[in-house]
Formats: sequence, C-alpha cells, structure tokens
Amino acid sequence: GQQVMQIPQYQHVQEGEDFTTYCNSSTTLSNIQWYKQRPGGHPVFLIQLVKSGEVKKQKRLTFQFGEAKKNSSLHITATQTTDVGTYFCAGYAGNMLTFGGGTRLMVKP
Amino acid sequence: DTEVTQTPKHLVMGMTNKKSLKCEQHMGHRAMYWYKQKAKKPPELMFVYSYEKLSINESVPSRFSPECPNSSLLNLHLHALQPEDSALYLCASSQRGGYTDTQYFGPGTRLTVL
Repeated sequence: GQQVMQIPQYQHVQEGEDFTTYCNSSTTLSNIQWYKQRPGGHPVFLIQLVKSGEVKKQKRLTFQFGEAKKNSSLHITATQTTDVGTYFCAGYAGNMLTFGGGTRLMVKP
Repeated sequence: DTEVTQTPKHLVMGMTNKKSLKCEQHMGHRAMYWYKQKAKKPPELMFVYSYEKLSINESVPSRFSPECPNSSLLNLHLHALQPEDSALYLCASSQRGGYTDTQYFGPGTRLTVL
C-alpha cells in the first residue's frame, strides 16, 4: 500500500530561524495536503497542492509539490512561537487519506 | 458553520463497558470518517462513510462498530475494548469523499481503557 514518510521527526528552532519539513511518497500522488496539529488539538487543513512542480505561499509558509508528484516540502520563514505544532503531509490513495509521520516543530522564544 | 463537534471530550471505560462516541457536522458534507490517533503518531483511518454507506473498513476489530444514522451524524460504538485501544478518536467530514476533498476534523474524544 501507499506509504508517506516525513523528515525530520522533530525540529527545535530558535524563534526567527527558518524551518523545513520534507514529505516523500512511495507512489505518485494525485495531490498532497498539509495539516497542522497544535499540542492538544486536532489536525487543521492548511493547503492542497495538485499540479506537478506547484508552489503556493501563505504568508511565511511556502509549500512545494515535486515534479514527479512523489514529494513535497513545507518551509516556514522566520518562525514564531505560534508556529509550534506537528505538521503532517497527507496523500490520497483512492478515497483514503494517508498521513505522513509528521514533523513536530518546537520554537524557543 | 465549518465545525465538526464530538462528544464526549474525554471518556474512561473499563474493558467490559459499552459506550458510544458521537460526531456531528452541519456543513452538508456527505463523507464522514473515524480516525484513531496514538500519542506522537499520525491519525490512522478506521472507517469511511460515503452518502451514509460504509465504504471503507480498515480491518478494524469488531469491538469497534460504526453507525451513520443520517448525513450529519456519525457514531462509534465501543464494546469489550482493550487497554491498547486508549487513544484520541477523531471524527472528520468532507464534501463528497473524493480525492481532492479537504477533511475537517473534530476536536476528538480522548479515550482511556482501564
């Protein structure tokens, strides 16, 4: 079955530093979605990428979808303490959404 | 209204108890999902209902029994659970269940099995 892997598992950064998480799928994805889960919270949808090579920005967050549609990345510029949480990528196989293992971001003020 | 609600927020039950988790959405979504999430792990899909019909059952043990009484409600009936079933149970909904759907998650029910 489809496997979605994310690295790193954890990342500690100083406030103001940049952060990147990488997502790789064992199969070609029709699209990729990114979710954020705050500590004690539930996953919240951030964005969906559909086209090969697509890049989307949301303020300090930049999302990329690889040319082969098998990998993706999320980059946060100048992290803030509000960015703390676990970031999951997720890809559909049929109508099943498979989540990557997540990257837990911790930001030191 | 873009909210998915779940009750109860917390549940402690013994291995011989029967309990139910409830989920509700009023976004007109026709697909609803149950996920199980262990600490520091991603959500794992358990069941998918599409247009009130069970379309996916991810080899979940029969001690978990889903029910979709109507398009807005989703229940998960629990019976004879094991301590390893302790987890956060998340309900989600999406528009049609298609592969471009955004899933909207509820706050979850934190279940402890003693």
